[in-house]
Amino acid sequence: DSGVTQTPKHLITATGQRVTLRCSPRSGDLSVYWYQQSLDQGLQFLIQYYNGEERAKGNILERFSAQQFPDLHSELNLSSLELGDSALYFCASSATVKNTEAFFGQGTRLTVV
Amino acid sequence: ELKVEQNPLFLSMQEGKNYTIYCNYSTTSDRLYWYRQDPGKSLESLFVLLSNGAVKQEGRLMASLDTKARLSTLHITAAVHDLSATYFCAVDSVNNDMRFGAGTRLTVKP
Repeated sequence: DSGVTQTPKHLITATGQRVTLRCSPRSGDLSVYWYQQSLDQGLQFLIQYYNGEERAKGNILERFSAQQFPDLHSELNLSSLELGDSALYFCASSATVKNTEAFFGQGTRLTVV
Repeated sequence: ELKVEQNPLFLSMQEGKNYTIYCNYSTTSDRLYWYRQDPGKSLESLFVLLSNGAVKQEGRLMASLDTKARLSTLHITAAVHDLSATYFCAVDSVNNDMRFGAGTRLTVKP
């Protein structure tokens, strides 16, 4: 158990819908990262937050957004969902803004039908 | 843009044999990570390599880093079935996010 908690574990939704994925980092970690893993794209970095502020942005679509709250948990919002958004979404956390070692949650498997 | 390449992408080994997975990256980086992923599971941190010449070992796995060559290796000694998994290397980008290789799917056969 990495100490990073993601909910829900599985999510099935229809095209055009909106979903929210939740991540609680390890105790004491200030930095949260979101990754998308799909068969065709591999592991893609989406976005990073540090202590409530956005620090880095990767290949995140405009339909996707994220935030980190004062209690350091983070949410990834995915809207206007398409079939191609079906993937495993991972959250990871690390103690500092610069990765020394990031710990991954169990992931949320999103299926868009 | 930082690119991370792993090879081979697929590796089938016999138990007891040795093999090496290679990870090349395109731009200077101070940190390289190796992760393991079992099917449908999360990524487990194996090694963090922080400097040129760094070598770390855990059980049958040994990782090394050559920052001048922009190359890391993950060496498997006397493979056992339990090592079957997908292994990823990742490198810190200038934005401090980790960029991952495509992964090496390792299968160890009896």
